[in-house]
Amino acid sequence: GAVVSQHPSRVICKSGTSVKIECRSLDFQATTMFWYRQFPKQSLMLMATSNEGSKATYEQGVEKDKFLINHASLTLSTLTVTSAHPEDSSFYICSATSAGRTEAFFGQGTRLTVV
Amino acid sequence: GQQLNQSPQSMFIQEGEDVSMNCTSSSIFNTWLWYKQDPGEGPVLLIALYKAGELTSNGRLTAQFGITRKDSFLNISASIPSDVGIYFCAGPPTSGTYKYIFGTGTRLKVLA
Repeated sequence: GAVVSQHPSRVICKSGTSVKIECRSLDFQATTMFWYRQFPKQSLMLMATSNEGSKATYEQGVEKDKFLINHASLTLSTLTVTSAHPEDSSFYICSATSAGRTEAFFGQGTRLTVV
Repeated sequence: GQQLNQSPQSMFIQEGEDVSMNCTSSSIFNTWLWYKQDPGEGPVLLIALYKAGELTSNGRLTAQFGITRKDSFLNISASIPSDVGIYFCAGPPTSGTYKYIFGTGTRLKVLA
C-alpha cells in the first residue's frame, strides 16, 4: 500500500499563533490530498480538498482564511491554522491519492492543542 | 447533508466471540470502505467494496456491500484483544471522487 506521513504528530501552540502541519506521500505522487478534522469521540469531518498546483476547495462552514492549505508539490500538502484558538484544538488527518488508485490513504494524524 | 449511520455505537464482547456491525445511508453509494482507527492514529483501511452484493474477506474480517447500495456490513470472527478500536465505514457520496464521508463509528472493546 501507499504511505502517507504527517508531521508533527503532536503540537502545542499558544492562542493567537499559527501552526503548520505537513502531509507527505512517501512512495507515490499525490495529485489530490484531503484534510479532515476529528474532535474527541467524533467521526472524521472533511475540511478541504487540495489539488496540486491549484487552490484548495473548502467544505461548507470551513473558514479558508483560517485554515490555509498549500499543495505546491506532488508529495507535499500543508495545512496552516492561523491565529489559533483553543476551539481549534483537534486531531487533524490528511489523506492522499492519485489517478488510477482505487482509494485514498491516510496519514497518522496530528494532535493540535491550543493553550 | 449526507450521513452514514453506524450501529451499534459501541459494544463490549468477550474474546473469541464474533462481532457484527453495520452502516446505513439515506442515499446510494458505489463504494464502501471499512476503516479501523486506534487511539491517536489515523484510520487504516480494512476492506474496500466496489460492487453491490460483493462479499469480501480480509483474514478474520468479512464485509458485504448491500444489494440496495445503501448499506454495508462488517463481521469480525473470533475476536482478539487487538481488535479493540473504532471502526468506521466511509464512502464517496459522489462516484469517482476520493472525498469520503465517514460514518458515526462503532467503538469495540474486547474483554480478555
